[in-house]
Amino acid sequence: DAGVIQSPRHEVTEMGQEVTLRCKPISGHDYLFWYRQTMMRGLELLIYFNNNVPIDDSGMPEDRFSAKMPNASFSTLKIQPSEPRDSAVYFCASSYGGAVHTGELFFGEGSRLTVL
Amino acid sequence: KNEVEQSPQNLTAQEGEFITINCSYSVGISALHWLQQHPGGGIVSLFMLSSGKKKHGRLIATINIQEKHSSLHITASHPRDSAVYICAVRGQGAQKLVFGQGTRLTINP
Repeated sequence: DAGVIQSPRHEVTEMGQEVTLRCKPISGHDYLFWYRQTMMRGLELLIYFNNNVPIDDSGMPEDRFSAKMPNASFSTLKIQPSEPRDSAVYFCASSYGGAVHTGELFFGEGSRLTVL
Repeated sequence: KNEVEQSPQNLTAQEGEFITINCSYSVGISALHWLQQHPGGGIVSLFMLSSGKKKHGRLIATINIQEKHSSLHITASHPRDSAVYICAVRGQGAQKLVFGQGTRLTINP
């Protein structure tokens, strides 16, 4: 299995531009998570999906952030317009919830975003 | 006070030493995860546990549910173990993880 695949690995953009981050979860996993990691705040959950449906988006910072999961094998996290404070590493992770909701989490390599 | 507290925040040791990283949490949980992140790298799940003890090679993770405490041990530490180790807990009936601030481990040869 290829694992969780994220793209791009690195993105440098200017303030005000739209940024789209992509994630392909592990096949068969029914949970997908988007996390953000910064030096100041560590890892934070932005949003997660179960069976392609957003369950909890309370971690999404503001309306500039949106996430979609049109099918079981693809999700996007979009920032529009981007700001320098959005600079961070964005991780996608997936898991299989099963019956007990204690699935092990598998992370992608992350997308490092720099907004100038 | 954070829901998940790790100690120490930084740890430097010599190759071969026995390492212990601690994690305390304040909420009821369904599972606790130990994660490893190498500098500039991705995040790898080392353990997921809800009771007792698990062992993978030189790594051992224990959890005491009553005391709301977990430890990650590394035996015969090696420079390649140098990384940030992150404790994360999953609340009961929840899928969200709450993360500790991480422990930066440096093993010198």
